[in-house]
Amino acid sequence: QSVLTQPPSVSAAPGQKVTISCSGSSSNIGNNYISWYQQLPGSAPKLLIYDNNKRPSGIPDRFSGSKSGTSATLGITGLQTGDEAEYYCATWDRSLNSVFGGGTKLTVL
Amino acid sequence: EGQLVQSGAEVKKPGESLRISCKGSGYNFSAYWINWVRQKPGNGLEWMGRINPTDSYVNYSPSFQGHVTMSVDMSVNTAYLQWNSLKASDTAIYYCARLRHGVWYFDLWGRGTLVTVPS
Repeated sequence: QSVLTQPPSVSAAPGQKVTISCSGSSSNIGNNYISWYQQLPGSAPKLLIYDNNKRPSGIPDRFSGSKSGTSATLGITGLQTGDEAEYYCATWDRSLNSVFGGGTKLTVL
Repeated sequence: EGQLVQSGAEVKKPGESLRISCKGSGYNFSAYWINWVRQKPGNGLEWMGRINPTDSYVNYSPSFQGHVTMSVDMSVNTAYLQWNSLKASDTAIYYCARLRHGVWYFDLWGRGTLVTVPS
């Protein structure tokens, strides 16, 4: 049972848009930045979004992040088959322990 | 940019001890915490804790406190994760990830070390 709640799976067709939600509480998301990670099959996680809505260099602007209150959302537009992966949100709690969401499997139909 | 190179896969028996490593290169090792993250087969990511290479201060997740030991050797830019007595439930991939002081995201990850403890 993860501290942050994500939908187990989402799916959409190539070229379409998808959003992945991440729900927490005032003791975690409500008081710290959110980051998002992409884990391609058989690979290590990779930073996708940091500080709620910033993209590291090399991450295309098809990926976006937002946060409102105790929830956050990852958006992906122009879906490609290469986007099929597990996506995780993460933040920190009041004790400065990191917490992850349970992960969302994205299927590009 | 930098990289984190982790030690190779391990197969151990229940009750055995184990230490795996994570070597940082291409960046100022002391400027970043090293975090450890567990991923059990078919499951999500679990944060285990972090260590500050400059003073070896460790912040363990309550879920892992007392079950593992984190350490660091600044002379070789390497962090370690250690078990004194492995269990079958420790079977997982263990990732190290760096966290720059003052920021709140893991910007670089190792490839992971698979630890298998057959029951």
